[in-house]
Amino acid sequence: EPEVTQTPSHQVTQMGQEVILRCVPISNHLYFYWYRQILGQKVEFLVSFYNNEISEKSEIFDDQFSVERPDGSNFTLKIRSTKLEDSAMYFCASGQPGQGETQYFGPGTRLLVL
Amino acid sequence: AQRVTQPEKLLSVFKGAPVELKCNYSYSGSPELFWYVQYSRQRLQLLLRHISRESIKGFTADLNKGETSFHLKKPFAQEEDSAMYYCALAPSYGGYNKLIFGAGTRLAVHP
Repeated sequence: EPEVTQTPSHQVTQMGQEVILRCVPISNHLYFYWYRQILGQKVEFLVSFYNNEISEKSEIFDDQFSVERPDGSNFTLKIRSTKLEDSAMYFCASGQPGQGETQYFGPGTRLLVL
Repeated sequence: AQRVTQPEKLLSVFKGAPVELKCNYSYSGSPELFWYVQYSRQRLQLLLRHISRESIKGFTADLNKGETSFHLKKPFAQEEDSAMYYCALAPSYGGYNKLIFGAGTRLAVHP
């Protein structure tokens, strides 16, 4: 059964550095999402992406964040200048037309900003 | 405001006991409701969605619009049901909508 994959599984970075989190969605899915979960808190929506553009973003998704689908298979989340409070688990998800809001999640990338 | 509330952080039961994980939501329109489950060291996965009206692994959930609730129930808990359960809301039907999650309830089923 196809699954969403994410790399790396863990990332440690220094404050102010740029990080790129990578996701490979399920191949015939057209809707892509990023969520994050700060330790001990809720899973929070960051951004949705469809037809090569952002369809919705949350207040968290400020100018430091960007998403891209560079090659038709990968879906990336970039944080330009990381802050301590960006430390969280980041989940990618994808969905297919006709299945409504059923989203399939990746295993997550744990980001630690020091 | 769109919000999902799961009042219990932890629900601890013995094997064979009934289970009810509570979920209440706040949304002015007609949302779609989901239960996602995360077993230890595994990814979030869909357990069930209200429009399917399915029973998955013995779990059921009924949308009660009057009480704005979507509680998850199972008559006889099994040890393998131990996991983190998240109730989630999608603001409208169809398309590419975000999911709004509750804080989650950890279910611990003891032998």
